Amino acid sequence: EAGVTQFPSHSVIEKGQTVTLRCDPISGHDNLYWYRRVMGKEIKFLLHFVKESKQDESGMPNNRFLAERTGGTYSTLKVQPAELEDSGVYFCASSHPLPGSNTEAFFGQGTRLTVV
Amino acid sequence: AQKVTQAQTEISVVEKEDVTLDCVYETRDTTYYLFWYKQPPSGELVFLIRRNSFDEQNEISGRYSWNFQKSTSSFNFTITASQVVDSAVYFCALSEAEFTGGGNKLTFGTGTQLKVEL
Repeated sequence: EAGVTQFPSHSVIEKGQTVTLRCDPISGHDNLYWYRRVMGKEIKFLLHFVKESKQDESGMPNNRFLAERTGGTYSTLKVQPAELEDSGVYFCASSHPLPGSNTEAFFGQGTRLTVV
Repeated sequence: AQKVTQAQTEISVVEKEDVTLDCVYETRDTTYYLFWYKQPPSGELVFLIRRNSFDEQNEISGRYSWNFQKSTSSFNFTITASQVVDSAVYFCALSEAEFTGGGNKLTFGTGTQLKVEL
């Protein structure tokens, strides 16, 4: 079974440019999450999809970030325009829906974004 | 608000030594979950354990063991007889128990870089 895959693994862009990160969750996982780790700091929650709906987007830093999950399969996270402070590792995770419980989330390898 | 503190930024040990990674958490929830994840050099976060707040029994899995103490809000992780392959960043995380939708939002600590040398 394929795990959570993220593309690209690395991206270097100039300030002001646009970048789109992609996440393919494990097949059948309705829950999809985006997290970000800025250098040396904790991994912070960005948002949570249940299928194609945004369940919680309280962690999105500002309106330069746009996440979508059309059709409830893969998800994209677009940063436009990118700023220096957006640099970090962006993780995607997915989990199986199991109401009344709390299942483990499986993470991808992350996308390292560097804004110069 | 939830918070997870991993005070140890980096630990270096010699192979075969035992090592304990500390994790202290804060939450107002009475029901919650605690996790440990491992991030090897390849980058992905690998799930190690999930612990329900009602279950304070310690757990052992091979060379790994976890000590959950509600009284001190700690969930420490011990590796016995460490090996070079244990070198990685280890993250402790906390989530509230969610009873609808089955999802969870993790609050992570800053991670502890473990280096195991020969």
